[in-house]
This record gives sequence, structure tokens and C-alpha cells, in this order.
Amino acid sequence: RKEVEQDPGPFNVPEGATVAFNCTYSNSASQSFFWYRQDCRKEPKLLMSVYSSGNEDGRFTAQLNRASQYISLLIRDSKLSDSATYLCVVNNGKGSSNTGKLIFGQGTTLQVKP
Amino acid sequence: GAGVSQSPSNKVTEKGKDVELRCDPISGHTALYWYRQSLGQGLEFLIYFQGNSAPDKSGLPSDRFSAERTGGSVSTLTIQRTQQEDSAVYLCASSLVGGAELGEKLFFGSGTQLSVL
Repeated sequence: RKEVEQDPGPFNVPEGATVAFNCTYSNSASQSFFWYRQDCRKEPKLLMSVYSSGNEDGRFTAQLNRASQYISLLIRDSKLSDSATYLCVVNNGKGSSNTGKLIFGQGTTLQVKP
Repeated sequence: GAGVSQSPSNKVTEKGKDVELRCDPISGHTALYWYRQSLGQGLEFLIYFQGNSAPDKSGLPSDRFSAERTGGSVSTLTIQRTQQEDSAVYLCASSLVGGAELGEKLFFGSGTQLSVL
């Protein structure tokens, strides 16, 4: 089983739609969680951190479910500029030999159409 | 510079040759990561340096791959006897401190596109 799993998509949605991505992780000791965005042929950039209580940044909402070991990203009122690949990132956490190692999921591709 | 710098940006080499990829992290960042990304794929973890601790090499795919970080700053990823399956974008990232609790943001370089013919 992969350490971090995502549905690769692509998700094709019209402008204004609400879209949600899920990500599951295998290491229950993981401590930190993030969503990164990667545009075509560009390096990944941090979109938002994911906190236990859930957090919102404008049209973006991230949630963490530790019991089920999954993270979600919700994008409301999709814009054309949201088209990108969204990468789920998990820190391995203490208790393993790999403290501090950040593991990336395969990424979920979003295409927002006019 | 203000960001993470990687060189070369593109490298074309022949199968069997050795290559060296360089990463210059943001000044003061103690954590440095190397990842590999094949076309259309996610980021594959290779190696992680954190301060003076022993590096986490658990992602290196074979003993042809090695990396070092001199003086806690610049890092070099070396691939010996390159194979065609080594072709990918090699991304370097740094963060201020690193570590499980701190959730530090990664800053990525633009990557080195390696093509093995």
C-alpha cells in the first residue's frame, strides 16, 4: 500500500462548481499534513497546511480525519486559474525511523472549464 | 538568491555516464530534500538532510544514487552509471527547520530535467 494515496483524476468541472479531493495516508503516527499545488511543468508550491480542527482560506477548505486517516480539500466557486495538480503531503511523524520526511501523493489533476 | 537554486536546469547524458546535480538552498534553511518526478507522476522521495543529523536515505532507488550536503548548505545528488529509467525531473526543496511537529513549508527549486539517452 502506498504511504499517501490520491485519486489521480482528472476532475473536469465547470467554472463556479464545487469540487472535493480526498487523500488517505497509511502511517497513523503522521503529524503534519499539507496540500500543495503544482502547475504544469512548474515546481510545487504550498497551498495550505491542514489542521486537526479544519481550516479555511478563502474558497479553499482543508479537513483532517485522523481516525480514518484521510485529508480532504474542498474548492468552492472554481475558477479557470484553479486548474492544476493538487498534491497531498504527509509527514511521517515520530515513532518511525523517518522523522521529518515529507511524502507526496501522486496528485489529483483538476481542469476547470469555461 | 532569494530562492532555491538548482543546476543545471537541463542535463542530457548517455547511458552509463555519471551525473552530478546541484542544489543551493535558501540561506539559513537547515532541512533539504531531494525528490524525483517522472512525467505525469507524483513526487518520489529520495533523501532528506536535517541539520547535522544523519540523512534519511530511505528513498534512494539503488546504490547508484548518492547525495551529500557540505557545510550544511549546498547539496549534490550523484547518479552513477545512469540508466534510461533515471530520466526525470529532480527537484530539490529546503525548509527553515523541518521536523514532524513544526510543519515547515517547503520551498522548491525549478528542478533539473535529466534525460538519459
